[in-house]
Amino acid sequence: DQQVKQNSPSLSVQEGRISILNCDYTNSMFDYFLWYKKYPAEGPTFLISISSIKDKNEDGRFTVFLNKSAKHLSLHIVPSQPGDSAVYFCAAYKGTYKYIFGTGTRLKVLA
Amino acid sequence: NAGVTQTPKFRILKIGQSMTLQCTQDMNHNYMYWYRQDPGMGLKLIYYSVGAGITDKGEVPNGYNVSRSTTEDFPLRLELAAPSQTSVYFCATNSGSGGDTQYFGPGTRLTVL
Repeated sequence: DQQVKQNSPSLSVQEGRISILNCDYTNSMFDYFLWYKKYPAEGPTFLISISSIKDKNEDGRFTVFLNKSAKHLSLHIVPSQPGDSAVYFCAAYKGTYKYIFGTGTRLKVLA
Repeated sequence: NAGVTQTPKFRILKIGQSMTLQCTQDMNHNYMYWYRQDPGMGLKLIYYSVGAGITDKGEVPNGYNVSRSTTEDFPLRLELAAPSQTSVYFCATNSGSGGDTQYFGPGTRLTVL
């Protein structure tokens, strides 16, 4: 039972354009959603999060949107830079000390 | 302040061998986690701990054991290695506040032949 899904395994975007990464979930009881970025041979690093009571959170070039009725969240990166090329994981938390991760989307930003 | 450290970085085991993956954090966090990541898959929780002396199973605990005798250390033990345990293992920690970000170690790449 995949509670958090990232249906696009990969995405290519031109430098300077917008990158949109998507994530769908099935459990309406999740409290928080988080995005992590992972470079090869490194552990994931936190990028941005959003509480389930909000619909948008912004941090510099990164914005996360949450659509609770659609059980969907998205990460927007504007403008995209070559250094943003990485695998992006979304994760959900529901107050039981456990985080559930999606399968990741590999973003490639073309110079 | 090293954050979360994991040793070793790489290891090759033969079927049936045992080993311990080490994880140490200097962030004074109560919560620690072990995940495995298989190719093309997300992170699957193996075990977690909410404090010294307290551990609990995650989604995929079979074939593994953990202990938490101190706040800093959370070793993961493989007793009888199997090819299905070939994976990248990540240790993580967080403060325990709801939805708080997790801090990950660099990972251990394990191959069982």
